[in-house]
Amino acid sequence: GNSVTQMEGPVTLSEEAFLTINCTYTATGYPSLFWYVQYPGEGLQLLLKATKADDKGSNKGFEATYRKETTSFHLEKGSVQVSDSAVYFCALRMSGGSNYKLTFGKGTLLTVNP
Amino acid sequence: EAQVTQNPRYLITVTGKKLTVTCSQNMNHEYMSWYRQDPGLGLRQIYYSMNVEVTDKGDVPEGYKVSRKEKRNFPLILESPSPNQTSLYFCASSLGGRSTEAFFGQGTRLTVV
Repeated sequence: GNSVTQMEGPVTLSEEAFLTINCTYTATGYPSLFWYVQYPGEGLQLLLKATKADDKGSNKGFEATYRKETTSFHLEKGSVQVSDSAVYFCALRMSGGSNYKLTFGKGTLLTVNP
Repeated sequence: EAQVTQNPRYLITVTGKKLTVTCSQNMNHEYMSWYRQDPGLGLRQIYYSMNVEVTDKGDVPEGYKVSRKEKRNFPLILESPSPNQTSLYFCASSLGGRSTEAFFGQGTRLTVV
């Protein structure tokens, strides 16, 4: 079946540090790829997405590129802020009949210290 | 404002006492689903619905029921809760299709004692 593997962390960084969270996937077919973020006490919200190979999703200074050859979708940000502290989930979505299920990685807790 | 609303946010109940977690969306989405989030396991799909009166099992459906009598509502029913259903639950809605954004509720933290 389909699966997503991401570095589990926790990841602790100082403000203005560079962030990379690795994400790789296994899928029978051609998925769309997503990064969702979960701030403390809240639901998940979409951070960025990419729907085909070589697409780059970007939002709020975060970027990720859909790499079909390496089946990866690594999240990067050049300079993190304290407000980026959250749990980050990599996910894929495929059309499997009528179930547009999101398959998630286990999440990566990011803590950014001032 | 586009949103998915779940209630309650927190619930403590006893084993075997039936409960319902409500979910409502105001975006006219046809696709809705329930997930549970557990430490070390990420989010797993419980049930989904493609439209009114159309529901089906996800990856972990045991012990849960759902219904979809109206397009906006998708309640999750635990007829006889057990301690292993203690978890954080999320409802999500979206348009159909593999590239569309899913919108999530704020979550319901359920504890079964």
